[in-house]
Amino acid sequence: SQTIHQWPATLVQPVGSPLSLECTVEGTSNPNLYWYRQAAGRGLQLLFYSVGIGQISSEVPQNLSASRPQDRQFILSSKKLLLSDSGFYLCAWTYRENTEAFFGQGTRLTVV
Amino acid sequence: QKEVEQDPGPLSVPEGAIVSLNCTYSNSAFQYFMWYRQYSRKGPELLMYTYSSGNKEDGRFTAQVDKSSKYISLFIRDSQPSDSATYLCASWGDQAGTALIFGKGTTLSVSS
Repeated sequence: SQTIHQWPATLVQPVGSPLSLECTVEGTSNPNLYWYRQAAGRGLQLLFYSVGIGQISSEVPQNLSASRPQDRQFILSSKKLLLSDSGFYLCAWTYRENTEAFFGQGTRLTVV
Repeated sequence: QKEVEQDPGPLSVPEGAIVSLNCTYSNSAFQYFMWYRQYSRKGPELLMYTYSSGNKEDGRFTAQVDKSSKYISLFIRDSQPSDSATYLCASWGDQAGTALIFGKGTTLSVSS
């Protein structure tokens, strides 16, 4: 069966520090991968998605970036965090578009 | 206009009640719909996936899609305190290369 791992679960980082969040999927090949951010009262906001290694599409211009160095690995990064980057970050995968999407357990990021 | 609208609630019901959760969507080209349950500080868990008008049942949960009205519903029978969570509806966009579009979620509380 397929599983998705996301870590760390919680993170407290100072303003201006770098960020690296990792997501890996097991049990499937060539998944579509997604990074969402969830802020209170604002729902899930799509940040990046990838349909293959090295293919990244950005939905929201900001100081975050994403990379997909391996087929089942998706990384969310920042060189310098802002206070506004605080939130709940979720990774998700699908077989392809228009199919079920499965989420990781999320990373709660607090920038102080 | 938001593409998927959802009443945020909160919705409070006694144990054993039938719960009705609803979403509307604006784009008649949407075809694939999902319902997620999200407990506090956890990732969304897929409950139901539907792609046609009509009803789909899974245990105590029934998903209903009315494409003529652009209305989707989730019914929970015999609600339990463990059903207390936020429920998110989602739809795939109608263009290739898009990702899931979410409603903001409805918070449900079931009291024993």
